[in-house]
Amino acid sequence: NAGVTQTPKFQVLKTGQSMTLQCAQDMNHNSMYWYRQDPGMGLRLIYYSASEGTTDKGEVPNGYNVSRLNKREFSLRLESAAPSQTSVYFCASKLGGLAKNIQYFGAGTRLSVL
Amino acid sequence: TQLLEQSPQFLSIQEGENLTVYCNSSSVFSSLQWYRQEPGEGPVLLVTVVTGGEVKKLKRLTFQFGDARKDSSLHITAAQPGDTGLYLCAGMKDSSYKLIFGSGTRLLVRP
Repeated sequence: NAGVTQTPKFQVLKTGQSMTLQCAQDMNHNSMYWYRQDPGMGLRLIYYSASEGTTDKGEVPNGYNVSRLNKREFSLRLESAAPSQTSVYFCASKLGGLAKNIQYFGAGTRLSVL
Repeated sequence: TQLLEQSPQFLSIQEGENLTVYCNSSSVFSSLQWYRQEPGEGPVLLVTVVTGGEVKKLKRLTFQFGDARKDSSLHITAAQPGDTGLYLCAGMKDSSYKLIFGSGTRLLVRP
């Protein structure tokens, strides 16, 4: 029962480098989310996918792109990393619909951009 | 601008003490959730409150949703070191798929 799996757990990038954060869930959930967490800021939504085949911007989408590869996987890409993107990134998934409104989170990816 | 304000930001108390954490907004939410997050882990859902005035209890934790569905509180009775962590409230507005998170309250319970 893995739940939501994020890779890698840690990453250090130089400014301008690109990378993709991977997220996979094995709960057959419809909706998936990417958040970033910064000290004193709580979690801020970057992008979300309400269902397979759809993606939408969240609160802080600039500098990021996403791909809902299939129902299980939702990746987050940084095309040209900036120091302001140093953060902890969390992926979450939800069954879907208001009646099943529980989001399950991965353990996070800690990213430092130098 | 933080839509959901949590207070206090930090709380350090002795084991056995009681505490209350507040989550306030000027907006109305259709539901509100409380999460607890431990270092190196993602947030884990504790409770969802949906009805204005609703009170839910989870062992020593009591959650209340304000009558107007704009605010919520978390009360912990006889805190234990195992309660240490970051407590986050998150609200959902209407039919949105999105949760709006508060800035969090970091709790330290000293033995």
